[in-house]
Amino acid sequence: GAVVSQHPSRVICKSGTSVKIECRSLDFQATTMFWYRQFPKQSLMLMATSNEGSKATYEQGVEKDKFLINHASLTLSTLTVTSAHPEDSSFYICSAHGGSSYGYTFGSGTRLTVV
Amino acid sequence: EDKVVQSPLSLVVHEGDTVTLNCSYEVTNFRSLLWYKQEKKAPTFLFMLTSSGIEKKSGRLSSILDKKELFSILNITATQTGDSAIYLCAVEVSGTYKYIFGTGTRLKVLA
Repeated sequence: GAVVSQHPSRVICKSGTSVKIECRSLDFQATTMFWYRQFPKQSLMLMATSNEGSKATYEQGVEKDKFLINHASLTLSTLTVTSAHPEDSSFYICSAHGGSSYGYTFGSGTRLTVV
Repeated sequence: EDKVVQSPLSLVVHEGDTVTLNCSYEVTNFRSLLWYKQEKKAPTFLFMLTSSGIEKKSGRLSSILDKKELFSILNITATQTGDSAIYLCAVEVSGTYKYIFGTGTRLKVLA
């Protein structure tokens, strides 16, 4: 079946540094990928839609300069959390449209802790 | 504004009980409704519903959609401790591939 690989699975970084998270579709091409954020005991909140070869579309309230998204190829999208702060600590998960008959294929998620 | 609401927010039952989880939605351009189970990491797919009144079943789980009343239910019969998870409902917006996730229901099944 379709697989989306997300790395790293867990990262701890210092406040003020930047962190890059990769989301890669392994056996299918994903023209559209999505980035979600999930706080403890809460649902998935869509941050942005990533389209191959064009600028990402951000949801209301999500700072595009803070959460940089690049979707340079049909199999890779990256999310960079710039100048991370402790309040950015969260679970980030990507999903790709395609690869299955029932919609999304999710990555395994990245737990970011900013200290 | 499009929204998806799930109820209850959390539920504690004993093994063997039957549970019904609810998902109601207000989405301008509805394409499909999906149910996911999330344990520790990524959500895993359960069902995709596009037509009203057609029940989908997988083992002890079943789900049905009512497009007139704009809701779906997920039933789990003879619950087991392994059913403990967050159950997420999502609605796909037509023409965008975009999903709007509901608030989730946290289910805990006690032995």
